[in-house]
Amino acid sequence: DGGITQSPKYLFRKEGQNVTLSCEQNLNHDAMYWYRQDPGQGLRLIYYSQIVNDFQKGDIAEGYSVSREKKESFPLTVTSAQKNPTAFYLCASSMGQGASGNYEQFFGPGTRLTVL
Amino acid sequence: GQQLNQSPQSMFIQEGEDVSMNCTSSSIFNTWLWYKQDPGEGPVLLIALYKAGELTSNGRLTAQFGITRKDSFLNISASIPSDVGIYFCAGRIQGAQKLVFGQGTRLTINP
Repeated sequence: DGGITQSPKYLFRKEGQNVTLSCEQNLNHDAMYWYRQDPGQGLRLIYYSQIVNDFQKGDIAEGYSVSREKKESFPLTVTSAQKNPTAFYLCASSMGQGASGNYEQFFGPGTRLTVL
Repeated sequence: GQQLNQSPQSMFIQEGEDVSMNCTSSSIFNTWLWYKQDPGEGPVLLIALYKAGELTSNGRLTAQFGITRKDSFLNISASIPSDVGIYFCAGRIQGAQKLVFGQGTRLTINP
């Protein structure tokens, strides 16, 4: 099945530790995105990548880092510099520039990160 | 960043009732998307709109791209229990690559 996978579903970490969230897609999409969702709130963009080996900061990039070494993968690292990392993290992908329907983003199932 | 005003924030209705929600902004949008999110899951795309005035249906769901290009509407007819969840609008501002998301409308249905 084509889709977006995020692992693990639940993640617990101690304060001060870096943690990396996985996002993989087999939709052959060029663009990938990371969002953060807090209870009762909408989605806030952390980072996005429109092509391999390139990415841009979103609205709340501080304390996060990403890489895009492969088209299929866009891992997100939550660093110890992120002041309030406990949240629900969502990865999404879209076809990318130049394709019809290229702005339709499709989401993974999410990873709930709890920092103790 | 840019904001979309989505209303209402929550709705409590009886099964079988129709539902209406909307998103508005002061900016002009080229794309409107509507998503549904179940608890603990990622949002699922329901309807995509690309032209001002466009009216698109997906089963009991109907969405419209406002004529002014500053708003969009989602209607659900004859609600059923599985419609429960949070509905998000998302839009792409003219000239931008990113989407802007509304705050969501939480729909609760009393059987």
